[in-house]
Amino acid sequence: AQTVTQSQPEMSVQEAETVTLSCTYDTSENNYYLFWYKQPPSRQMILVIRQEAYKQQNATENRFSVNFQKAAKSFSLKISDSQLGDTAMYFCAFMKHGSAGGGADGLTFGKGTHLIIQP
Amino acid sequence: GAGVSQTPSNKVTEKGKYVELRCDPISGHTALYWYRQSLGQGPEFLIYFQGTGAADDSGLPNDRFFAVRPEGSVSTLKIQRTERGDSAVYLCASSLQQGYGYTFGSGTRLTVV
Repeated sequence: AQTVTQSQPEMSVQEAETVTLSCTYDTSENNYYLFWYKQPPSRQMILVIRQEAYKQQNATENRFSVNFQKAAKSFSLKISDSQLGDTAMYFCAFMKHGSAGGGADGLTFGKGTHLIIQP
Repeated sequence: GAGVSQTPSNKVTEKGKYVELRCDPISGHTALYWYRQSLGQGPEFLIYFQGTGAADDSGLPNDRFFAVRPEGSVSTLKIQRTERGDSAVYLCASSLQQGYGYTFGSGTRLTVV
């Protein structure tokens, strides 16, 4: 079974600063997907960014980018020019490639990091 | 629909009562998932449907929990004899293609008093 660890329960930065959220995972799989989800107070989990393990290039989506270190099993999220609307819970998640998509092979989440952007 | 819809948004029930939580996935998404999110935790898998059948129900905590998806679209999560420990946010998600993550609804916050 896969495990996902987020070691920062809470982080707080000033608006416009850059912040990095940490995530490590444990798996014996070689091919898989990694995700960062944002959960604002509305509770809906919103996909922020996705990385395929076989791609060496780090994924980017506008102000969001990842640092994917496969050997170290590390997948951190960097948010540049942070905005007040970025305040939310952020969850790192793992999915095994080629699975049926559910259960133990489906999305496995970390415990989350509460990110607070201060004005 | 445009997104995953869950009803009710909030549900308060008394210990021992029966509850049903509804999920309406994105049209055309054959895969549907239920997760439970306790306070301060990440979502934990409960059950996964592919079409009408439960492909994996290994996350259901005990036999008080049951879910159906009779026509391969709307799903209902049913909890019998609710306990205070069942209080959590129940999230539903659907997906079209494996590996692209899931689209989640806004969840149902269940409070058992």
